[in-house]
Amino acid sequence: GQSLEQPSEVTAVEGAIVQINCTYQTSGFYGLSWYQQHDGGAPTFLSYNALDGLEETGRFSSFLSRSDSYGYLLLQELQMKDSASYFCAIGDDKIIFGKGTRLHILP
Amino acid sequence: DAGVTQSPTHLIKTRGQQVTLRCSPKSGHDTVSWYQQALGQGPQFIFQYYEEEERQRGNFPDRFSGHQFPNYSSELNVNALLLGDSALYLCASFGTGLTGANVLTFGAGSRLTVL
Repeated sequence: GQSLEQPSEVTAVEGAIVQINCTYQTSGFYGLSWYQQHDGGAPTFLSYNALDGLEETGRFSSFLSRSDSYGYLLLQELQMKDSASYFCAIGDDKIIFGKGTRLHILP
Repeated sequence: DAGVTQSPTHLIKTRGQQVTLRCSPKSGHDTVSWYQQALGQGPQFIFQYYEEEERQRGNFPDRFSGHQFPNYSSELNVNALLLGDSALYLCASFGTGLTGANVLTFGAGSRLTVL
C-alpha cells in the first residue's frame, strides 16, 4: 500500500522560512506533489517532483530524495496569507494524500 | 476558462437517505476523481472515472458509486447514508496526456451533513 507522514502542525513567524517534511511508503513511485488548502477552500496544486532535487516556484520550493523516501516543501518570506494546510501526495493515476500540515503564521 | 464545478455546495440529509453529487471537470480534462475529506484530515480517494468507466477505487464500501457521462462530467452517489458520511466531497480532474494525474484541479466541494 501507500502511506505518507507529515507533521500535523507547524508554526512560524511572518517573513521567516519554514520547511514542511513528508516521508512516504509506496511500492511504485511516480513523484511527490504538494497542495495548499485554505480553510473552506479547495486544495490547489503547488509543485511536483518526479526526480531528486529542488524545484523552485517563486517563494515556494519543493525537494525530493527518492532514496530516502522523503521530501519537503520550503516556504520563504512567509506572509499571513500562507496560513493554510499543506498536503503531500503520491501516486500514479490514484493520488493518495497525507493528513496535512496546518501552518500557523505569527505576526 | 472554467475550472472544476461541483453542485450542490451544501446539503443536509438524514440517515438512510441517498445523495447524488455532481461534478463538471475543467475544460480539456477527461478524468475525474472523487475524494472524501473529513474535518482536519486529508482527502481520501474514493474512485476515479475515465472513458465512462471506474478505473480505480479506494477503500470505500459499495454504498459509494459513481458515473461518468460522455461529456466527462461525473456523479457520486451514496446510498444508505450514515452519520460518518458527513464530510466535504471533492471532485478533481486532470487531462490524460496533458498535465497528468499528479496535477489535479479540484472543485470547491460539496459539504454533506448527515443528521
